[in-house]
Amino acid sequence: EVQLVESGGDLIQPGGSLRLSCVASGFTFSDYWMHWIRQAPGKGLVWVARISDDGSGINHADSVKGRFTISRDNAKNTLYLQMNSLKVEDTAVYYCARDRLAEPYDKWGQGTLVTVSS
Amino acid sequence: DVVLTQSPLSLPVTLGQPASISCRSSQRLVDSRGNTYLNWFQQRPGQSPRRLIYKVSNRDSGVPDRFSASGSGTDFTLKISRVEAEDIGVYYCMQNTHWPPYTFGQGTKLEIK
Repeated sequence: EVQLVESGGDLIQPGGSLRLSCVASGFTFSDYWMHWIRQAPGKGLVWVARISDDGSGINHADSVKGRFTISRDNAKNTLYLQMNSLKVEDTAVYYCARDRLAEPYDKWGQGTLVTVSS
Repeated sequence: DVVLTQSPLSLPVTLGQPASISCRSSQRLVDSRGNTYLNWFQQRPGQSPRRLIYKVSNRDSGVPDRFSASGSGTDFTLKISRVEAEDIGVYYCMQNTHWPPYTFGQGTKLEIK
């Protein structure tokens, strides 16, 4: 069974740092691009970042560029999102999702909640 | 960036009746090879999103055939032939033709009258 399990969400003060993880199982992780997508409370879905299957291609949304970094460890079947200089507006549920052959997001994780507040 | 505009944003429907959601793009979503990457997702209350449709009209495995989608260029539509109670939730269109960024519509909330 394909599974994506996020973790690492927490309550953190503005300006703080956090690293999210997404552990994949049930499929060949290294065959897939991976993405982070977030959803603020009561709001819609917003793309955050993408990484190619081998990690050589990376893109971040303008709203997080310079603060967040997506990465992956194919040996550990794990996707990461390093989040620095967190802002109140980064408060959201963060989902990881997979993408292959331009058919994105056929599987999603359950999400992990990041709350940025003083 | 491509902007996707969904309408309506709220859709009250009677059980057993059809429903239709529009998604309009600020740019044509066909790429240089003639492919169109427009997808539809369903998010039931308290759940993660689930993909229903990929590349305009391809239904995902396990998606009931009462869901269908069509469109081209800048105009796309998701249709439910007969709404059932389990269809309650928010529906999003999303494009991956012109990226980055990947962009979603604002979402359409389907509710039962």
